[in-house]
Amino acid sequence: NAGVTQTPKFRVLKTGQSMTLLCAQDMNHEYMYWYRQDPGMGLRLIHYSVGEGTTAKGEVPDGYNVSRLKKQNFLLGLESAAPSQTSVYFCASSLLAGGLATQYFGPGTRLLVL
Amino acid sequence: ELKVEQNPLFLSMQEGKNYTIYCNYSTTSDRLYWYRQDPGKSLESLFVLLSNGAVKQEGRLMASLDTKARLSTLHITAAVHDLSATYFCAVDSLEEGAQKLVFGQGTRLTINP
Repeated sequence: NAGVTQTPKFRVLKTGQSMTLLCAQDMNHEYMYWYRQDPGMGLRLIHYSVGEGTTAKGEVPDGYNVSRLKKQNFLLGLESAAPSQTSVYFCASSLLAGGLATQYFGPGTRLLVL
Repeated sequence: ELKVEQNPLFLSMQEGKNYTIYCNYSTTSDRLYWYRQDPGKSLESLFVLLSNGAVKQEGRLMASLDTKARLSTLHITAAVHDLSATYFCAVDSLEEGAQKLVFGQGTRLTINP
């Protein structure tokens, strides 16, 4: 049981390049999330999904797109990377049951945009 | 809009001492989570607090929730070096159909021998 995994672990992009971050979970969780973590700002929600085929915007969605074609995968895309998107990206998943839903986090992807 | 504030943001303490981290939030919620993050690592769930007056303890850490005051505390008893980490609280915004957490800024805790 791997939990939540993220690919890649680290990436350097030039401004204007595109890339896709992959998140996979093997816990059969319905909910999946993408966050970014910047120094001194905690984690901020980019996009989330409440089930296969559904996505919704979080707190800071601009410049990002997501897709949830399979229940176990949640992809985060950057169409045209900007230096302001340099950050650590975390994926999380959770299963809401009886009002309790702890989010389980992946190991993170460090992205540097030059 | 839900806002979550932690204090202090940085805390340096000696082993064996006690201290408390505070987490204030701005709108009604009865679901609060505490996470730990070691440098360069992911977040690990510590506590889930689901009702007013809830108290959870694990080893030297104890978390409590006062929903009327919109305040949670994480108390550290007789600190040891292994507890050095960044601690985050997160509050569920209780939006319909989703669990959306709003995180505090984090408290970086350093415990010195």
